[in-house]
Amino acid sequence: LAKTTQPISMDSYEGQEVNITCSHNNIATNDYITWYQQFPSQGPRFIIQGYKTKVTNEVASLFIPADRKSSTLSLPRVSLSDTAVYYCLVASGEGYQKVTFGIGTKLQVIP
Amino acid sequence: KAGVTQTPRYLIKTRGQQVTLSCSPISGHRSVSWYQQTPGQGLQFLFEYFSETQRNKGNFPGRFSGRQFSNSRSEMNVSTLELGDSALYLCASSDTGDVNQPQHFGDGTRLSIL
Repeated sequence: LAKTTQPISMDSYEGQEVNITCSHNNIATNDYITWYQQFPSQGPRFIIQGYKTKVTNEVASLFIPADRKSSTLSLPRVSLSDTAVYYCLVASGEGYQKVTFGIGTKLQVIP
Repeated sequence: KAGVTQTPRYLIKTRGQQVTLSCSPISGHRSVSWYQQTPGQGLQFLFEYFSETQRNKGNFPGRFSGRQFSNSRSEMNVSTLELGDSALYLCASSDTGDVNQPQHFGDGTRLSIL
């Protein structure tokens, strides 16, 4: 079970790029890296998933170095509505019993 | 497609009672997972159902149980409620339940135990 470590909180001004790094030193060969976003009183929402190198979609980019021991979620030009908790998950296979969300990173966007 | 729907959104119970929560997954999704979220523990996995069978289970006491129906809808039951069961209960669905597929979460049921 790959344990993940993220900063507990981050502050950013509107319009800036935000990078949240997650450490997962014990990542296994078959593990995927997934990021979720959660607003208060709502369920987590899938942002992006990757296995290696770089993945980009309409809302974020995910950078994974060659050793895969860490990953960085990049949010371009954040707005106030990006204030949320961001979770990094590392897991493989079937079923979620081995998935640990942790406490995530609370991102506060400042006007 | 409609998202994951959980009912009720809020529930207040007293110690010793039991409660049943409901989850309707996204149409076509066969895997339904349940999580408990509390401020101190984050999201903790309860169990996962796939095609009406419990396939995975987290480290929760037997008071927590669930089931899945043939239409993939799922219910979670908690018996003999304790104060510590106060939490946000989240349901998530995906097609196969493989962790390399994103899960789609509902907005949860907020359970308060008095």
